[in-house]
Amino acid sequence: EMQLVESGGGLVKPGGSLRLSCAASGFTVTNVWMSWVRQAPGKGLEYVGCIKSKKAGGTTDFSAPVKGRVTISTEDSKNTLYLEMNSVKIEDTGVYYCISSNIAGAFDLWGQGTTVTVSS
Amino acid sequence: DIVLTQTPLSSPVTLGQPASISCRSSQSLGHGDQNMYLSWLQQRPGQPPRLLIYQSSNRFSGVPDRFSGSGAGTDFTLKISTVEAEDVGVYYCMQVAQFPYTFGQGTELEIK
Repeated sequence: EMQLVESGGGLVKPGGSLRLSCAASGFTVTNVWMSWVRQAPGKGLEYVGCIKSKKAGGTTDFSAPVKGRVTISTEDSKNTLYLEMNSVKIEDTGVYYCISSNIAGAFDLWGQGTTVTVSS
Repeated sequence: DIVLTQTPLSSPVTLGQPASISCRSSQSLGHGDQNMYLSWLQQRPGQPPRLLIYQSSNRFSGVPDRFSGSGAGTDFTLKISTVEAEDVGVYYCMQVAQFPYTFGQGTELEIK
């Protein structure tokens, strides 16, 4: 069974950094495109960034609000996706979801999410 | 960036009746392969989103056939033929035609 499990959320001070992990099972993260989406409390979905499959070059893309502050990477040995963010802001607060795109670029498998709270 | 505009933002529906949500894109979501890179997602209360429809009209595995998607270019529609209680939640359209990927604002489906 294919599954994604996020971890690493918690309370972070403004200006600090965070590292989220997304452990995959049932498939290999580097064989598909992987993305992060976040959802602020009571708000809609917001695309954070994406890493293409190794076959597609493994390059990344980021949304404007996080560009320059975020890195997305994978670790083959752990079959895990990472999101690293620095200089965090209050507005980075929310639930962060890890998603895999196994079918035609669609966001077909979602993790349960991990909650990040940025507060002093 | 591609802007997706959903209407309505709130849809009160009677159980057993149909429902329809529209998603309009600021740019065409087609590629050279003739596919439309527009998906529909459902987010039930307290749950992560899940994929319902991809490439405008393809129902994802396990999705009931009362859900259907249609549209091309810049205009897309999600239809629920007969609404059931478990369909309550927020529905989002999203495009994966062009970076950065974007979402519609969401449409809240509620039972009258």
